[in-house]
Amino acid sequence: QVQLVESGGGVVQPGKSLRLSCAASGFIFTNHGMHWVRQAPGKGLEWVATIWYDGSHKYYADSVKGRFTISRDNSKNTLYLQMNSLRAEDTAAYYCARGRRYCSGGGCYSWYFDFWGQGTLVTVSS
Amino acid sequence: QSALTQPPSASGSPGQSVTISCTGTSSDVGGYNYVSWYQQHPGKAPKLMIYDDSKRPSGVPDRFSGSKSGNTASLTVSGLQAEDESDYYCSSSSGSIIVFGTGTRVTVL
Repeated sequence: QVQLVESGGGVVQPGKSLRLSCAASGFIFTNHGMHWVRQAPGKGLEWVATIWYDGSHKYYADSVKGRFTISRDNSKNTLYLQMNSLRAEDTAAYYCARGRRYCSGGGCYSWYFDFWGQGTLVTVSS
Repeated sequence: QSALTQPPSASGSPGQSVTISCTGTSSDVGGYNYVSWYQQHPGKAPKLMIYDDSKRPSGVPDRFSGSKSGNTASLTVSGLQAEDESDYYCSSSSGSIIVFGTGTRVTVL
């Protein structure tokens, strides 16, 4: 069965760094784009970043661009999110999610997320 | 990267139907982009309920259905049950950017 297990969350001071990991199992990791989605306490879902199946393309929300880096190690079936220059507004539960999308005629349509991890909480506070 | 617009709340009695709207623009929902819907119970991870506007993943009851017209997508839950009480989010894309809706809390009266 598909499993996504996040780790690496915790309490960190503003301006510091943290790296999240997401260990994937139960599916062919290299067949899927992967994503990070976050949710601040009591708030809605916010997409953070996307990485293609082979790591060749990466995309970021404006709110994290230049501070966060998404990466993957396909030999370890693991997704990462390196978070630098953390701010109080980055406080959230961070979910990794497996992505799928329909592709036809050389183009691809919207991603959707068919499996999610349980989330890891990041708290940025002095 | 503006969030898609959903009503904050919706409600219905057991057995009734409730429909949640998700309004975007011609650059996301109304363009050549599909909409997906997610259910999230408190303290839990989101769960995919609808993808590609109207397709249901295996295991999702057929009480859940999706549709889209122009810049607005909709999720309908028919035959409401107590376990349908949850938060629901829509999602679509604008280019390589993914956007979520503002979320709707569905209450079963």
